[in-house]
Amino acid sequence: AQTVTQSQPEMSVQEAETVTLSCTYDTSESNYYLFWYKQPPSRQMILVIRQEAYKQQNATENRFSVNFQKAAKSFSLKISDSQLGDTAMYFCAFMMPDGGSQGNLIFGKGTKLSVKP
Amino acid sequence: DTGVSQDPRHKITKRGQNVTFRCDPISEHNRLYWYRQTLGQGPEFLTYFQNEAQLEKSRLLSDRFSAERPKGSFSTLEIQRTEQGDSAMYLCASSLSAGDETQYFGPGTRLLVL
Repeated sequence: AQTVTQSQPEMSVQEAETVTLSCTYDTSESNYYLFWYKQPPSRQMILVIRQEAYKQQNATENRFSVNFQKAAKSFSLKISDSQLGDTAMYFCAFMMPDGGSQGNLIFGKGTKLSVKP
Repeated sequence: DTGVSQDPRHKITKRGQNVTFRCDPISEHNRLYWYRQTLGQGPEFLTYFQNEAQLEKSRLLSDRFSAERPKGSFSTLEIQRTEQGDSAMYLCASSLSAGDETQYFGPGTRLLVL
């Protein structure tokens, strides 16, 4: 079974600085999707960025980028120029293509990021 | 295009009562998922539908939990004989079945069982 591990329960960063959140996963599959979701306090889960495992190029979305190391099964999220609005829980998630046999996302336990002024 | 909506947003009930939650997916999305999230944890998958077919339900937490999507549009999640351990956030997500399989989440229903 696939698992997702986020080893940093909490992190903080100064506004305008860069922070990297770690995620590792375990799977025997070669094709899959990886996601980072953001959940602000008392607000809904929002997609931050998505990576297809067959793509070697790391995904980027404005200030957010990933470092996808397939052999190492590592999928870290880098947030550049951190803003107060980035304060949230960040979840790393794994999914098989076409949902696999169970159709679901497998989440890590999350990293609570605080951006300080 | 409106996002995923869930109703109610908050529910307080007494132990032993039944509760039902509703989810309306993004209109063109034919897949719909239910997750449960407890405090300090990532969401945990419960079940999912493709159109009206429930393709996976073995992960529902007990036989007190059931879900329906009768016309392939909105879905309901029912918990019978609620227990204090059922207190959690119940999240709904939807996606397309092919192409972009990204799941988009609703705001959740927070359940408190007294």
